[in-house]
Amino acid sequence: QKEVEQNSGPLSVPEGAIASLNCTYSDRGSQSFFWYRQYSGKSPELIMFIYSNGDKEDGRFTAQLNKASQYVSLLIRDSQPSDSATYLCAVPPPYGGSQGNLIFGKGTKLSVKP
Amino acid sequence: ETGVTQTPRHLVMGMTNKKSLKCEQHLGHNAMYWYKQSAKKPLELMFVYNFKEQTENNSVPSRFSPECPNSSHLFLHLHTLQPEDSALYLCASSQDLGATGGRYGYTFGSGTRLTVV
Repeated sequence: QKEVEQNSGPLSVPEGAIASLNCTYSDRGSQSFFWYRQYSGKSPELIMFIYSNGDKEDGRFTAQLNKASQYVSLLIRDSQPSDSATYLCAVPPPYGGSQGNLIFGKGTKLSVKP
Repeated sequence: ETGVTQTPRHLVMGMTNKKSLKCEQHLGHNAMYWYKQSAKKPLELMFVYNFKEQTENNSVPSRFSPECPNSSHLFLHLHTLQPEDSALYLCASSQDLGATGGRYGYTFGSGTRLTVV
């Protein structure tokens, strides 16, 4: 059974700190990995994707992928109160077609304190 | 309008009612999805349509009936629901099914908050 695991939190960090969000996945063949941000009462929005081992940086966000250990993480530098949201990790099965549907983790709730 | 639009935003219905949720995407995508989001649970995939053909029904009860008349529109028809069906129902679209394995991921609508009384 394909699974995506996240610590539900809440993860509380002070403003300006680095927030580290982690995700592990069970399907070793998965190729692409997505991070979505969901504000309370809103729909998820895509903020990062990564498909190569190593780091990918986009502004204050860095996604880190380690396929051998089957984990992907999201770092948020200089955290702001506006970053307070639930962060969802999503992983597609390795094969496309009708199985190419994203599997979501439960999400980690991040709270950035001023 | 742009993106993925869902109506209504909020819906309260009785267990004997029949209602429909509507989703429309203006992105030129070919795949559309219905997801259910309940408190403290992961997003649950319900249905997948690719080029308006249903490709997946994730063991959803028959009281939920999807309809996809074209690649831009997706409906979820509801009848004789139960209180446990109360949740946020999210529509999403992607370029095609293979895009989930690539760089694009999904674009979500704002959702319909459904309450069954």
